[in-house]
Amino acid sequence: NAGVTQTPKFRVLKTGQSMTLLCAQDMNHEYMYWYRQDPGMGLRLIHYSVGEGTTAKGEVPDGYNVSRLKKQNFLLGLESAAPSQTSVYFCASSPGLAGGTNTGELFFGEGSRLTVL
Amino acid sequence: GDSVTQMEGPVTLSEEAFLTINCTYTATGYPSLFWYVQYPGEGLQLLLKATKADDKGSNKGFEATYRKETTSFHLEKGSVQVSDSAVYFCALSPNRGGGFKTIFGAGTRLFVKA
Repeated sequence: NAGVTQTPKFRVLKTGQSMTLLCAQDMNHEYMYWYRQDPGMGLRLIHYSVGEGTTAKGEVPDGYNVSRLKKQNFLLGLESAAPSQTSVYFCASSPGLAGGTNTGELFFGEGSRLTVL
Repeated sequence: GDSVTQMEGPVTLSEEAFLTINCTYTATGYPSLFWYVQYPGEGLQLLLKATKADDKGSNKGFEATYRKETTSFHLEKGSVQVSDSAVYFCALSPNRGGGFKTIFGAGTRLFVKA
């Protein structure tokens, strides 16, 4: 099983450029998330989605946009990249609360390392 | 609000040494507690979990006990191996709160020397 797949894995941008990170999951999960990981700060939630067509802001949403047009995909966009957005980005997914399969566990992709010059 | 505090690293140990990584939390209600592990170049993966007080989670020789009286969930392993070198994250999730309420600690990097 592929699980959660992120593309691209590495990207270098210049300040002001735009880009999109793609996340795909094949576990039929309802919930999907985008985190950023910075040294000494753990993981911080950027945006999340509780179902197809829905999105919501997390802890650090500024400078990012997301879309969930299909249940299996969750896109993270940077419209005008800034050096402060240099980070490692992780997508994750989990079952929804209905159905009793949600244990709180998150399933992560391998990460996308973004450098903004 | 809810929070997770774990010991700062890096932690450097020799192979076969005993490992403890401390984790304490503050939360309302009765959260579930987790340890995730991140190997070099990979994403996080669940190592173990506990969903109620006095539960012990265990996996791959690692253990952690949910201690409500001390609000702690310390990770232990009796004999570490070089392959255990990774970053370990303590996390909590409010019961039935959805994954978007998961709170992560800052992570503790472990180096194990042969």
